[in-house]
Amino acid sequence: AQTVTQSQPEMSVQEAETVTLSCTYDTSESNYYLFWYKQPPSRQMILVIRQEAYKQQNATENRFSVNFQKAAKSFSLKISDSQLGDTAMYFCASRLQGAQKLVFGQGTRLTINP
Amino acid sequence: SAVISQKPSRDICQRGTSLTIQCQVDSQVTMMFWYRQQPGQSLTLIATANQGSEATYESGFVIDKFPISRPNLTFSTLTVSNMSPEDSSIYLCSVAHSSGGYTFGSGTRLTVV
Repeated sequence: AQTVTQSQPEMSVQEAETVTLSCTYDTSESNYYLFWYKQPPSRQMILVIRQEAYKQQNATENRFSVNFQKAAKSFSLKISDSQLGDTAMYFCASRLQGAQKLVFGQGTRLTINP
Repeated sequence: SAVISQKPSRDICQRGTSLTIQCQVDSQVTMMFWYRQQPGQSLTLIATANQGSEATYESGFVIDKFPISRPNLTFSTLTVSNMSPEDSSIYLCSVAHSSGGYTFGSGTRLTVV
């Protein structure tokens, strides 16, 4: 079975600080995709970053980067120079290659304080 | 990536009634997905809807409670039937891209009273 675990229900940092959100997953497959989604109060699910498991290089998107540790089945999200607009729920998710189903973690509520 | 229009954005319904949620995609997609997000919780997949065939439901979800239609490659509906307060949730539709990513609708916030 495919499972995703986010162990931090809530986090809070000051604006401009760096914050890291944790995610671990469990799968017996070797090929899969990992995602971080952001859900602000508007409810819209927004893709933050995506990582293919076969790629060793960690994905980056502007202020967002991941630390992908395949052997440890860990996929953490680092947000640099955090902004007030980063306040949202963040969900880690995985998808097996060849499958269409996304499996989500429990989410981390991130608050950026001014 | 695809753009999804989801309606209604919110509704307050009486218990025992049904609500149909619509998702319109601006391009043709093979699979559409329906999720439920209970208050303060993560997203749980209800079912996968393929055009021209019966939807595939996840464990714990049944067709009688959540009937789905998929009349063409750009449109799908999810009905929440015989509602109870426990059905109060956000319902979201989603489509997969050929590039491996997903786009979500803006969600329907349902409150059952």
